[in-house]
Amino acid sequence: EVQLVESGGGLVQPGGSLRLSCAASGFTFSTYWMSWVRQAPGKGLEWVANINPAGSDKYYLDSVKGRFTISRDNTKNSLYLQMNSLRTEDTAVYYCAKDGRTWPFWGQGTLVTVSS
Amino acid sequence: EIVMTQSPATLSMSPGERATLSCRASQSVSNNLAWYQQKPGQAPRLLISGASTRATGIPARFSGSGSGTEFTLTISSLQSEDFAVYYCQQYDNWSPFTFGPGTKVVVK
Repeated sequence: EVQLVESGGGLVQPGGSLRLSCAASGFTFSTYWMSWVRQAPGKGLEWVANINPAGSDKYYLDSVKGRFTISRDNTKNSLYLQMNSLRTEDTAVYYCAKDGRTWPFWGQGTLVTVSS
Repeated sequence: EIVMTQSPATLSMSPGERATLSCRASQSVSNNLAWYQQKPGQAPRLLISGASTRATGIPARFSGSGSGTEFTLTISSLQSEDFAVYYCQQYDNWSPFTFGPGTKVVVK
């Protein structure tokens, strides 16, 4: 059974940093693209970033380029999202999702709140 | 960026009725279109990819159609568990992938 468990969310001040993690199990993690998708409170879904199986190709939403970095550790079956220079508009539930373009499996999400 | 729009924003239906949800892309996405269902407090659930291919475990009452810029999700006979928000998503243009604003299906 595919399982994705996010962690690392919380309250952070504008300009601060946070690192999200996603622990994956139930599939061969090292052979799949992985993605982060977010949802602001009461709003719709927004793709944030994705990464290829080797970790060498990465794509980002324009509004997070230069601030967020997606990475993975295939030895630990883990996906990460390093978020720097956080803005209030980054407040959202961040979901880890399996695959690169459509997402049949999602984690439960972790809430990131950017507020002073 | 490809902009996705959905109509209507809210659909008031009764159980057992047929629901038709629309999604439009600002430029052709071929058949690279997915549909998701989301219930309150839950992660989205993939229903359809490739515009018309049901995901694993999705009931046959859900069907997708369309190509290019116009797409439709049909729920043939609404069940109580189908009242939720539905999003379309294009994945033709690699960056960024974009979602529509959603259609909320509510009980009439």
